[in-house]
Amino acid sequence: AQKITQTQPGMFVQEKEAVTLDCTYDTSDQSYGLFWYKQPSSGEMIFLIYQGSYDEQNATEGRYSLNFQKARKSANLVISASQLGDSAMYFCAMREGYTGANSKLTFGKGITLSVRP
Amino acid sequence: NAGVTQTPKFRVLKTGQSMTLLCAQDMNHEYMYWYRQDPGMGLRLIHYSVGEGTTAKGEVPDGYNVSRLKKQNFLLGLESAAPSQTSVYFCASSYSIASTQYFGPGTRLTVL
Repeated sequence: AQKITQTQPGMFVQEKEAVTLDCTYDTSDQSYGLFWYKQPSSGEMIFLIYQGSYDEQNATEGRYSLNFQKARKSANLVISASQLGDSAMYFCAMREGYTGANSKLTFGKGITLSVRP
Repeated sequence: NAGVTQTPKFRVLKTGQSMTLLCAQDMNHEYMYWYRQDPGMGLRLIHYSVGEGTTAKGEVPDGYNVSRLKKQNFLLGLESAAPSQTSVYFCASSYSIASTQYFGPGTRLTVL
């Protein structure tokens, strides 16, 4: 089974509107972390937001928020007030556990977001 | 602070040639990682290091070797390049196990 699932093939949103990018994960660990990264057309990987499995509140970073539903094993990224510069590929990733071997990130296949003017 | 840097940015190799990719970080991070990204896929871990002088295999280690002789540098080597190693390679580093990984700009490698 895939550890990180991002099934939306491509998303479109009108500028200034909000958009939700879906991510579901699979783990049997109690301690894990969930990350979202943005990859614009220039290619770099930009860290956006982090949610720890024990965090009781949803993470927020400026216009980004993470809708964390632990029982459903979902960690959806919400971008409010979309901007043209938000057009990019978005990756959800998970780190399981806290040992050296588990410090690696497992990535989903990504979602392409296009913001329309 | 340059963060995480990678050299070179682009490289074209012929099958059987060797090369080394250099990753450097100036954030005093203990952990460093090498990932590869192929079209339509997320990143997959090749090798990683939990400190100076240590390395370990990731998800797709075959055909690659790594070394971490200095804390700030993590080298990825291809001894005999194959077309299947055509990819974009990303280096990342983190302060601790639980902290965020920060990525370099990537190296686009083509093996003919």
